[in-house]
Amino acid sequence: EAGVAQSPRYKIIEKRQSVAFWCNPISGHATLYWYQQILGQGPKLLIQFQNNGVVDDSQLPKDRFSAERLKGVDSTLKIQPAKLEDSAVYLCASSLGPGGAGNTIYFGEGSWLTVV
Amino acid sequence: AQSVTQPDIHITVSEGASLELRCNYSYGATPYLFWYVQSPGQGLQLLLKYFSGDTLVQGIKGFEAEFKRSQSSFNLRKPSVHWSDAAEYFCAVGGGYQKVTFGTGTKLQVIP
Repeated sequence: EAGVAQSPRYKIIEKRQSVAFWCNPISGHATLYWYQQILGQGPKLLIQFQNNGVVDDSQLPKDRFSAERLKGVDSTLKIQPAKLEDSAVYLCASSLGPGGAGNTIYFGEGSWLTVV
Repeated sequence: AQSVTQPDIHITVSEGASLELRCNYSYGATPYLFWYVQSPGQGLQLLLKYFSGDTLVQGIKGFEAEFKRSQSSFNLRKPSVHWSDAAEYFCAVGGGYQKVTFGTGTKLQVIP
């Protein structure tokens, strides 16, 4: 079974530039997540989709971050304009149903962003 | 709000020694509890999870964890550590269809 696919794996941009990350979840998984993991910290949920609807985006900095999940499958996370503090690994994950209901969350390998 | 505390940022153990990683959680009802492992440059992989029933949960790679409601703990254990177990370990809590919250992680170093 194919896992969660993410691209690009690595990206270096200057502050105030924009960047987009793409995620393809495991086939059939209704729930998709974007986490931000800053070095030395645990993953922080940015946004959670159930099919193509947003369930939780309470920690998404909406003035600069946006995410969409078209047709309930692939998802894109965009940052515009980027700040130095956005340097982190952006993890996409998916599960059959909500992780809070006990479903196993499967993670991709992450997209490493460095803002200089 | 739910939360997870992993009091040990870094732990070093000798290969073959036993291991216990601590996790304390805060949640208003019966939680779902998870342990994930992250190797360098990789995503997180589920080791085990607790929903209900038997408080001692067996996972992959020889790991187990025990849920203790009275102590709000879910500590991860392994009787004999292998060099390949060196990684970062994250405890997480969820429930009631709310988001899963992760701890800050414990980095495990294994020495020969």
